[in-house]
Amino acid sequence: GAGVSQSPSNKVTEKGKDVELRCDPISGHTALYWYRQSLGQGLEFLIYFQGNSAPDKSGLPSDRFSAERTGGSVSTLTIQRTQQEDSAVYLCASRSGLNNEQFFGPGTRLTVL
Amino acid sequence: AQKVTQAQTEISVVEKEDVTLDCVYETRDTTYYLFWYKQPPSGELVFLIRRNSFDEQNEISGRYSWNFQKSTSSFNFTITASQVVDSAVYFCALSEPHFGYSSASKIIFGSGTRLSIRP
Repeated sequence: GAGVSQSPSNKVTEKGKDVELRCDPISGHTALYWYRQSLGQGLEFLIYFQGNSAPDKSGLPSDRFSAERTGGSVSTLTIQRTQQEDSAVYLCASRSGLNNEQFFGPGTRLTVL
Repeated sequence: AQKVTQAQTEISVVEKEDVTLDCVYETRDTTYYLFWYKQPPSGELVFLIRRNSFDEQNEISGRYSWNFQKSTSSFNFTITASQVVDSAVYFCALSEPHFGYSSASKIIFGSGTRLSIRP
């Protein structure tokens, strides 16, 4: 398909474990975003990539959270030593360089037991 | 700082009624974008509309209409003759324009309004 894809769709982990969430943006989109949606809440911005660089990491909630992007395409969001409050849906979005419209993926639902 | 407020947490109406979802925003930027997204039970965010801050013309798309009023910093969304399939969480959002490499143009979302349409 031509849209943003994310994997896994669901992830259940135990507290203290590390998890990796993957995002495949729309081909050719240079900008990539990670957002988090906690239960019953709106989305909060986590990090922005332009190419492989992350000019804005202001939304990462703690140093347990990190993200990288390689080849200007796939991005991985890593959460180390997961906590129960990390349980949320993690959404990825991508944008072309031409305008402001962001296209969202289906999200990864993370549950930390 | 940028902020989006959706004061209505939940709305429930009977099918075929008209319903308006309120959105009030705050920003110091003179140029910005406003959005509405729909999130059905499946969870995926569906883009509905984007409006440039310089374009205050109201927009109608089928049963959907949007009323942008800069004077009151509001961008309200009306569904006419609502249908059960309109049941979803609706998010209003705001972002700065994309000015270059370091400009994230991140979207600031409101907390959403859960709309339930009863048959």
